[in-house]
Amino acid sequence: GAGVSQSPSNKVTEKGKDVELRCDPISGHTALYWYRQRLGQGLEFLIYFQGNSAPDKSGLPSDRFSAERTGESVSTLTIQRTQQEDSAVYLCASSLVLDTEAFFGQGTRLTVV
Amino acid sequence: DQQVKQNSPSLSVQEGRISILNCDYTNSMFDYFLWYKKYPAEGPTFLISISSIKDKNEDGRFTVFLNKSAKHLSLHIVPSQPGDSAVYFCAARIPEYGNKLVFGAGTILRVKS
Repeated sequence: GAGVSQSPSNKVTEKGKDVELRCDPISGHTALYWYRQRLGQGLEFLIYFQGNSAPDKSGLPSDRFSAERTGESVSTLTIQRTQQEDSAVYLCASSLVLDTEAFFGQGTRLTVV
Repeated sequence: DQQVKQNSPSLSVQEGRISILNCDYTNSMFDYFLWYKKYPAEGPTFLISISSIKDKNEDGRFTVFLNKSAKHLSLHIVPSQPGDSAVYFCAARIPEYGNKLVFGAGTILRVKS
């Protein structure tokens, strides 16, 4: 596709369950980012991939959060044993490494009940 | 540690007037600054950027000003239109991590007709 695609667009899960969020970046973009936006707050950096490796995992909130990227393409953000405070919109973005503009997907709205 | 701050949560402007959105930062290593616009239920979209070696960049109705000594940048929208009503995020790039962007909390702009 022409843009960054995220799935699902909405996810409601029970507290304690695991969830997987998927991001399909723009073809050819080597950099991929995950951000989180909680209600009423700004964008919070979670993790960044350069190719398939993640040089900066400093933003992951806890060890319940993990992410991987394969084939320098699709990325999956996994949240284990979800908690209510994990409820947020999870945004994925991609960019050419030397470009200044990151293109965002529409986000996945996660609600933990 | 909030490296990028948008101190005004919201701004209301009359159609046709100028909208001025402000952003302050603390990290002198930022090399690019960007503004993103976000409508509800959509991902942020890139609006305009400025290199740290410049003090002004203009694109149609949008102008970004950078004052490095004050570590301050602003986005001017002239004339403001109702369709400009959105959340505006200021972001700054950290060069040693490719395109990792640090975002401010956002400012809600409402343009009244």
